[in-house]
Amino acid sequence: RKEVEQDPGPFNVPEGATVAFNCTYSNSASQSFFWYRQDCRKEPKLLMSVYSSGNEDGRFTAQLNRASQYISLLIRDSKLSDSATYLCAEADGATNKLIFGTGTLLAVQP
Amino acid sequence: NAGVMQNPRHLVRRRGQEARLRCSPMKGHSHVYWYRQLPEEGLKFMVYLQKENIIDESGMPKERFSAEFPKEGPSILRIQQVVRGDSAAYFCASSPGQPNGYTFGSGTRLTVV
Repeated sequence: RKEVEQDPGPFNVPEGATVAFNCTYSNSASQSFFWYRQDCRKEPKLLMSVYSSGNEDGRFTAQLNRASQYISLLIRDSKLSDSATYLCAEADGATNKLIFGTGTLLAVQP
Repeated sequence: NAGVMQNPRHLVRRRGQEARLRCSPMKGHSHVYWYRQLPEEGLKFMVYLQKENIIDESGMPKERFSAEFPKEGPSILRIQQVVRGDSAAYFCASSPGQPNGYTFGSGTRLTVV
């Protein structure tokens, strides 16, 4: 079993839709999780950190479910500019190295 | 306040040549991470370095790959005798040491011909 798993998609949604991605992790001791956004042929950019209480930033909400070992990202009122690959990652507590999922491709259509 | 700087942005090497990828961390950051992204795949951790020390190289291939982060100057990822399978995007990230998500450089795209 992979350490971090994501549905690769693609998720094709119309503008204005709400879309949610899940990401499962296997290390129950992991404490820190992150969502990154990666545009085609660009570097990943940190979108949100995900901590125990979850967090919200504008149209984006990240949640952590420790019991089921998954994190989620909810995007409300999707914009065309949200089209990208969304990567989840868990941080190794000792070294802070990140273990990434393979990413979920989102395509927002007019 | 410059971000993580990587150069070159694009590098073409013939099979058997050496590739040297450079990464200058953000000012004040002493922790450097290298990742590789093969075409159509996710990011894979390669190595974690602090100044003059390799902390975790569990993701580095056993042969031909090496990394360093000297006291002065950028971190270097060196690939000797490159093969076509080394063609990928190589990203570097730096951190001040706290367990936070870190910032990536814009990457070096290596093409082996």
